[in-house]
Amino acid sequence: SAVISQKPSRDICQRGTSLTIQCQVDSQVTMMFWYRQQPGQSLTLIATANQGSEATYESGFVIDKFPISRPNLTFSTLTVSNMSPEDSSIYLCSVGASNEQYFGPGTRLTVT
Amino acid sequence: ELKVEQNPLFLSMQEGKNYTIYCNYSTTSDRLYWYRQDPGKSLESLFVLLSNGAVKQEGRLMASLDTKARLSTLHITAAVHDLSATYFCAVDTPGGSEKLVFGKGTKLTVNP
Repeated sequence: SAVISQKPSRDICQRGTSLTIQCQVDSQVTMMFWYRQQPGQSLTLIATANQGSEATYESGFVIDKFPISRPNLTFSTLTVSNMSPEDSSIYLCSVGASNEQYFGPGTRLTVT
Repeated sequence: ELKVEQNPLFLSMQEGKNYTIYCNYSTTSDRLYWYRQDPGKSLESLFVLLSNGAVKQEGRLMASLDTKARLSTLHITAAVHDLSATYFCAVDTPGGSEKLVFGKGTKLTVNP
């Protein structure tokens, strides 16, 4: 199994500012994933973060808006840049282990 | 492009009744997952289904997978109020990338 922690758990931010979300895993993993869950919606994959290479972004998501770092095999950050109210969502980090996909507790972001 | 459809999206049940949630997906996949999400919480893994004909049961929930029909079902037996939550199915994108595509979720309400 994998235990994932995220910081912060929630935040309220002003539009135009940026927020960096941290994800820490209790074991080394090759790939870490960042998902977004907009209010009342399902989850959508933002990007895949591999250690030692650039993140791979899904259609509709760009690096300038969601820069990602992956400095080692247990840690990743996602930055939500130049925020607008439409960025208000839950952001979740995920990793795979033992044929399962585990999710962190999420970061609830509200942009005013 | 992999698409995942869940139905129904909303389900209101009486305690003690049985019901089934359906999850269809559009292309071949290695794994299918069922998750539960309580309001304001992250995802709790319920089942991982890996092969055709797989059936898994935990308490009042039973999940099955038919890879030929590209269909999974989550059957609820004798529902209780504690099962009220949103249930998501998710499918691995082809090639074992561990990227998940989620259904829209089924919001289940079990009434006394």
